[in-house]
Amino acid sequence: GAVVSQHPSWVICKSGTSVKIECRSLDFQATTMFWYRQFPKQSLMLMATSNEGSKATYEQGVEKDKFLINHASLTLSTLTVTSAHPEDSSFYICSAPGTNGYTFGSGTRLTVV
Amino acid sequence: AQSVTQPDIHITVSEGASLELRCNYSYGATPYLFWYVQSPGQGLQLLLKYFSGDTLVQGIKGFEAEFKRSQSSFNLRKPSVHWSDAAEYFCAVGPSDKLIFGTGTRLQVFP
Repeated sequence: GAVVSQHPSWVICKSGTSVKIECRSLDFQATTMFWYRQFPKQSLMLMATSNEGSKATYEQGVEKDKFLINHASLTLSTLTVTSAHPEDSSFYICSAPGTNGYTFGSGTRLTVV
Repeated sequence: AQSVTQPDIHITVSEGASLELRCNYSYGATPYLFWYVQSPGQGLQLLLKYFSGDTLVQGIKGFEAEFKRSQSSFNLRKPSVHWSDAAEYFCAVGPSDKLIFGTGTRLQVFP
């Protein structure tokens, strides 16, 4: 079945640095990738939608300059958290739609210290 | 407005007992409905989905769900819970372009 590979699975970074999270569709082409953020014991909140070859669409309240999304190819979408701060610490998950529903990456636990 | 409600934040059951997790939705058109399971620190795994047709949907791991349009519900059931079912369960509704998630139900299983 469809698989989305997400890396890294966890990352710790210093405040002020940038972190890149990658999501790759392994056996299908993902023209769209959804990026979610999940706070502890809460649900997933959609941050943005990336589309291959065009600009990402951000949900209301999400800072596009802080959360840079790039969809470089039909198999790769990246989320870069720029100038990270402790409040950016969260669990980030990507998801790609397919013919049989949505496939999720395994998530990235970001901790900013 | 589109929304998903999971009334039960936390459910505790004994191993071998039956389980029902509730999900109610508000959606303007015929919804696509999903149930996902998330183990701690992990991504989401699809348990089952409803697009159309038979309103009783069978999923993986022995789970099933029933779509009831009149009640705007899509409750998840399992006749006999195993300790490995302890996790967070999310109901989601959506069109073809993005999902709206409920707040999740944490399932705890006692031996």
